[in-house]
Amino acid sequence: AQKVTQAQTEISVVEKEDVTLDCVYETRDTTYYLFWYKQPPSGELVFLIRRNSFDEQNEISGRYSWNFQKSTSSFNFTITASQVVDSAVYFCALSGISNFGNEKLTFGTGTRLTIIP
Amino acid sequence: NAGVTQTPKFQVLKTGQSMTLQCAQDMNHEYMSWYRQDPGMGLRLIHYSVGAGITDQGEVPNGYNVSRSTTEDFPLRLLSAAPSQTSVYFCASNPVGQLYEQYFGPGTRLTVT
Repeated sequence: AQKVTQAQTEISVVEKEDVTLDCVYETRDTTYYLFWYKQPPSGELVFLIRRNSFDEQNEISGRYSWNFQKSTSSFNFTITASQVVDSAVYFCALSGISNFGNEKLTFGTGTRLTIIP
Repeated sequence: NAGVTQTPKFQVLKTGQSMTLQCAQDMNHEYMSWYRQDPGMGLRLIHYSVGAGITDQGEVPNGYNVSRSTTEDFPLRLLSAAPSQTSVYFCASNPVGQLYEQYFGPGTRLTVT
């Protein structure tokens, strides 16, 4: 069975601080995908990144960066120089193989990030 | 493209009532799914479909039915609503075998009293 753990339920930081959101996963699959989604206060779900299990390179996109470490089964997300617009709930997710051989996502419980002006 | 659309945006039901949450996508995606989001529990998969006529259960299927007669539509039916089904429901789609990105609808907030 798959599992995604986001141990940080809520985080508050002052604007311009850096913040890291943790994600730890469990899976028996040798091939899997990890994702991060953002849910701003308006409620929609916004895709941020996808990473496959064979690519452990860190990724940077503007102020966002992701650290994937298979050895610790972690896929952490860092926001540098946080801004008020980063306030949202962030979900980490893991893909598994369904009965039909297609992936389906297992989500973590989310981390609510509040950026204080 | 409208992407993934869901109707209604909000709904209040009484216990025992039935209703259908509508989901449609215009991206010709084969894979569609329904999730529910509850406080502190993230998103949980209810049912999914890999194409017209093919559906399967997710993590929390009890109390919900689905069918997929067309590529575009994937309705979720509550046959006899219960307060435990109070939640926000998201529909999503993506091309089969390419889980690069799930395209989510805007959600339906359902309250069962």
